[in-house]
Amino acid sequence: GNSVTQMEGPVTLSEEAFLTINCTYTATGYPSLFWYVQYPGEGLQLLLKATKADDKGSNKGFEATYRKETTSFHLEKGSVQVSDSAVYFCALSFTGGGNKLTFGTGTQLKVEL
Amino acid sequence: DGGITQSPKYLFRKEGQNVTLSCEQNLNHDAMYWYRQDPGQGLRLIYYSQIVNDFQKGDIAEGYSVSREKKESFPLTVTSAQKNPTAFYLCASSDDLGGMNNEQFFGPGTRLTVL
Repeated sequence: GNSVTQMEGPVTLSEEAFLTINCTYTATGYPSLFWYVQYPGEGLQLLLKATKADDKGSNKGFEATYRKETTSFHLEKGSVQVSDSAVYFCALSFTGGGNKLTFGTGTQLKVEL
Repeated sequence: DGGITQSPKYLFRKEGQNVTLSCEQNLNHDAMYWYRQDPGQGLRLIYYSQIVNDFQKGDIAEGYSVSREKKESFPLTVTSAQKNPTAFYLCASSDDLGGMNNEQFFGPGTRLTVL
């Protein structure tokens, strides 16, 4: 079956540090890939997505590139802020068939001054 | 504003009681989903529905039931058969057009605590 593996957290960084959160997937075929963000006590918000190999998703300074050869979709940001503190989820889905999402376990990011 | 609403935000129930969680969307989306979130386990799919009057089991459907009588509503009932119902429940919706625009939009969640 399909699965998503994320690096475990929490990840603690100082403000303006570089962020990488690793995400790899196992799937039959070529899924769409997503990063969702969850702020404390809230639902999930889509951060960025990529629908085919070599696509780069970007939003709010975050980027992730769909790497078919390494089945990866690592999340990066050049300079994190305290307001980026949240839980980040990597996920995949296939077009059609209900568009069901398969999530990783989430990575908590804490950014300190 | 278009979006997904879930109510209530916090819900407390005694063990052995059924409880129904509300989910409403005004995005005109065909597909709706229920997920359960537990610490350290990410989100797991309970049920989903691609069209009115039809729904399918997800990965952890045991002890739950749903209905989809209206396009905008997808209530989830947590029955007494669910062995560990205390969790954060998230509802989502999406266009299910078979194309590449398969983003899911999430509600704010309901935290259920069974005492």
